[in-house]
Amino acid sequence: GENVEQHPSTLSVQEGDSAVIKCTYSDSASNYFPWYKQELGKRPQLIIDIRSNVGEKKDQRIAVTLNKTAKHFSLHITETQPEDSAVYFCAAPIQGAQKLVFGQGTRLTINP
Amino acid sequence: GAGVSQSPSNKVTEKGKDVELRCDPISGHTALYWYRQSLGQGLEFLIYFQGNSAPDKSGLPSDRFSAERTGGSVSTLTIQRTQQEDSAVYLCASSRLGTAEYEQYFGPGTRLTVT
Repeated sequence: GENVEQHPSTLSVQEGDSAVIKCTYSDSASNYFPWYKQELGKRPQLIIDIRSNVGEKKDQRIAVTLNKTAKHFSLHITETQPEDSAVYFCAAPIQGAQKLVFGQGTRLTINP
Repeated sequence: GAGVSQSPSNKVTEKGKDVELRCDPISGHTALYWYRQSLGQGLEFLIYFQGNSAPDKSGLPSDRFSAERTGGSVSTLTIQRTQQEDSAVYLCASSRLGTAEYEQYFGPGTRLTVT
């Protein structure tokens, strides 16, 4: 089945700097890759996703890149702000099973 | 409109007792998922319901765990003879259609503590 690995597990950056979180997946048939953000004590929420027919997608300060050959995708946050502090989860679908496998999460801390 | 709701928000129970956790999905969403999130850990898939199809129970950790979804709407996750390792936040999510490519909307979770 699908295996999703996420790195790093924790990340601390200075406010205004960029943050990058990377995920690898095992199922070459996977074609959809979402990122969820979970603020402390809150529920996870989708922030951006990418499908396998594109290599990059941007939404203001966040972007996701996909390398299908290497089977990895990354979340990029530029000009980080304190409200970006949260746990971020990547995910990939299990083909034929209609469900997502989530990475272990990255705890991002933005230092003022 | 209303989002996904779960009840109770917190549950403390003694080891060996049974508990029921409830999830109310967004109206009209056909797919419903249950996840478990242990302290500082990721989202562990438990079970998935899609319409009238047989549920995907492949993530349930033991036969003490069961779930049902009545009338294609409300779902109940039942844990029998609770153990301390069952302590976690149980999250429910629903999506408009039952494919992995649709956004999952999460509920606030039920924090279960087994003493």
